[in-house]
Amino acid sequence: DIQMTQSPSSLSASVGDRVTITCRASQSISSYLNWYQQKPGKAPKLLIYAASSLQSGVPSRFSGSGSGTDFTLTISSLQPEDFATYYCQQSYSRGGLTFGGGTKVEIK
Amino acid sequence: QVTLKESGPVLVKPTETLTLTCTVSGFSLSNARMGVSWIRQPPGKALEWLAHIFSNDEKSYSTSLKSRLTISKDTSKSQVVLTMTNMDPVDTATYYCARMLVGSSSPFNWFDPWGQGTLVTVSS
Repeated sequence: DIQMTQSPSSLSASVGDRVTITCRASQSISSYLNWYQQKPGKAPKLLIYAASSLQSGVPSRFSGSGSGTDFTLTISSLQPEDFATYYCQQSYSRGGLTFGGGTKVEIK
Repeated sequence: QVTLKESGPVLVKPTETLTLTCTVSGFSLSNARMGVSWIRQPPGKALEWLAHIFSNDEKSYSTSLKSRLTISKDTSKSQVVLTMTNMDPVDTATYYCARMLVGSSSPFNWFDPWGQGTLVTVSS
């Protein structure tokens, strides 16, 4: 199975900060990388698909980049509603889909 | 509006078999661009993909849980069913079903939307 490693596992940031989360795949996955946001007690919500495509309705402060094995989710200016846990997910191997371990974004 | 809703027992005993149903609306399970996955999340832990069923009835399973899982669908009822045998307390988790959507002009795919999830506790 393809392993997905996210870093950091948690971070503290202030409203207005620029936040970057990294996801690394154990082998090349082209651009088959998605990002989700999960708030406590809620189901995950799709933010970014195919590494850099913004899901409809998602604020433009969210962006994704990367290809191959290294990917980044960036929040350009952190808002109060962005405090949540973020997961990356590879969809390259349809027979073995995998998620990263998550990054919890907390208020500083 | 596309929705998915999980249903099943909230409590199962160790060694029992868990059966969960995902009822979908707003799309057809026969749509070639769509499939349904089951994903779970133990309390306070990360997401874990379990199984997927495609529109052509092709199935795939988590390598580590393959021997315990069976996924099936009833297109006429708009339902996807997951069974997991020999339940253990470590299987305590919120179980989600999610639609996999394949891009209309690309091979990329992603989960959207997700059901609300159902918490299953394994305890005697």
